[in-house]
Parts: sequence; C-alpha cells; structure tokens
Amino acid sequence: AQSVTQLGSHVSVSEGALVLLRCNYSSSVPPYLFWYVQYPNQGLQLLLKYTSAATLVKGINGFEAEFKKSETSFHLTKPSAHMSDAAEYFCAVTGGYNKLIFGAGTRLAVHP
Amino acid sequence: EAGVVQSPRYKIIEKKQPVAFWCNPISGHNTLYWYLQNLGQGPELLIRYENEEAVDDSQLPKDRFSAERLKGVDSTLKIQPAELGDSAVYLCASSSTGGIRETQYFGPGTRLLVL
Repeated sequence: AQSVTQLGSHVSVSEGALVLLRCNYSSSVPPYLFWYVQYPNQGLQLLLKYTSAATLVKGINGFEAEFKKSETSFHLTKPSAHMSDAAEYFCAVTGGYNKLIFGAGTRLAVHP
Repeated sequence: EAGVVQSPRYKIIEKKQPVAFWCNPISGHNTLYWYLQNLGQGPELLIRYENEEAVDDSQLPKDRFSAERLKGVDSTLKIQPAELGDSAVYLCASSSTGGIRETQYFGPGTRLLVL
C-alpha cells in the first residue's frame, strides 16, 4: 500500500527565505510523486511531478523537488519565498493503483 | 481552455436532506474523479470513472452516496440523506486518461455544510 507523510502541518518563513516542505512516502512499487498547491477556496494546482525520469524536478513558480529513493523522500524547495507562496501544499503518491494518495498537507505562511 | 467546473460552490443544508453536486471535466478528458476533503486533511478518492464506467468506487459510502456520469462527460455526486459528518469539500478532478503518470486537474470544489 502507498502512503505519504508530510512533516510539519504549519511552516512559517520570512519573505526571501528558503522554503523547505518535507514529504516522505511509502510504496511497494516504484512511485510516481506529485506536489500540489491549494490557495484558499480554490482547487488543487499541480506544482510538479516525478515520473521516474530526472530525480530533480523543476516546477512552476520557482519550486523544485528532489526524489531520493534511499530516504524515501520528495521534499519541496524554493530558494526565496514570496508573499504569494502562502498556501497549503500537498504531497501525493501513486503506485500500483490509478489514484492519488495525499498527505495531510502543510500550510505555508510567509511574513514580511 | 476551460478548467474543471463545479457547482454549486457552496451549499448549506439541514441533516437528512438530499444534496447533489455537479462536475464538468476538461473537454476531452476521459477520466473523472470525485474526492472528499475534510478540514485539515488531504483529499481522499471517492470514485473514479473511465468514460461512463465507475472503475474504482471502493471508498464511496454506498448506503447514502451515489454518482453517475452519463454519456461519459458531466458527472453528478449525490448524498441522501446527508449527515452532519458529511460537511466537507467535495472536489472533482479530471485527466486525459487514467494512467498513473497523468496529471489530475482539479476544480474549485463544493463546500458543503450540514446543519
């Protein structure tokens, strides 16, 4: 079975600081991994996805994530936070089944 | 290109009343998903359609929930009767196929409050 753990339900950073959102997964088959962002009262928008090509994946809005099989991790980073990055971020995994298994989410706050 | 459309955006009902949500996927997308998102949690799949066929409804509480996707385009999710614990956001998503690498595109959701 597949599962996702997101460490830290709330993360707060200063504008211009590094953003690091943690995601660890469990999968009995080679995983495909996704990061989605959800702004208030909106649906989820794909930031990036790992589908077994390059382990460093670049996404929209300056975000990137690195797939580390040995650590079963897929952490999301951005070098410099912007106020508009404040949102909820979800890590998700698919594996042997054609459905997304989401983590509980991390709410990112960016303060001036 | 229009995204996934859902209506209504908000719904408030009394418990034991019926409620229905509507979803129009991205044009040409064969696969449609309904997810339930409880407060402070990630979405959980309720049902997945490939065209008109429900191919994964294992998480759908069939005693009170039903769904249909007539003609393989629009879909409706119904709850009858609604319970207090059904208060949540109901998200619809679509993808071009049901492949596990496919990106799922989400609608804005319907926020349900059961009183």
